[in-house]
Amino acid sequence: DVVVTQSPLSLPVTPGQPVSISCRSSQSLAASDGNTYLSWFHQRPGQSPRRLIYMVSNRDSGVPDRFSGSGSGTDFTLTISRVEAEDVGVYYCMQGIQWPWTFGQGTKVEIK
Amino acid sequence: VQLQQSGPGLVKPSQTLSLTCAIFGDSVSGNRVAWNWIRQSPSRGLEWLGRTYYRSKWYNDYAVSVKSRITINADTSKNQFSLHLNSVTPDDTAVYYCTRGYISSCDYWGQGILVTVSS
Repeated sequence: DVVVTQSPLSLPVTPGQPVSISCRSSQSLAASDGNTYLSWFHQRPGQSPRRLIYMVSNRDSGVPDRFSGSGSGTDFTLTISRVEAEDVGVYYCMQGIQWPWTFGQGTKVEIK
Repeated sequence: VQLQQSGPGLVKPSQTLSLTCAIFGDSVSGNRVAWNWIRQSPSRGLEWLGRTYYRSKWYNDYAVSVKSRITINADTSKNQFSLHLNSVTPDDTAVYYCTRGYISSCDYWGQGILVTVSS
């Protein structure tokens, strides 16, 4: 299976400041069709995960533009340009290039 | 698209865990999507269990960890799909989610059901 590793696992943040979360995969997520299959999800306590980003950098409908994704190959980053209180929760990356799809361990974002 | 999950929240050890996911706004037999079951627990994190999809005929893929115990099937008459996991143990206690897979990602999720395996 493709192993997906996130860092950090915990991230205290100050509202208004930028935040970055790293995600690394054990093999390249670039497919022969030219796409790279790395997604980001946000999960609030007691809720289902919600997808924010797909194929590295494409924001889902309704996702604020303070969220952005970048990276290639095996190294990816989720950036929140100015974190807000509603952004707390756990963020997961997920690879979709090889079955079974696998998730990172999650990064818990909380307000300082 | 909305996914509505149903099923019991408590299952006895050695019995079968069965959950259903009703689909609204899409078709279970759509030829560009797949329908997945994922579970989440503190010990395992988010774990893919399996999927079913239709490409002129039905296909299934299952995680190696549960392959001998799992069945996922679709009901086109009700536009839903189901998870059956037999011979459960307390280690199968988790929140179970159904999701839609599209372009190698999960874009819609059910509300999740906490299933506890206990006598």
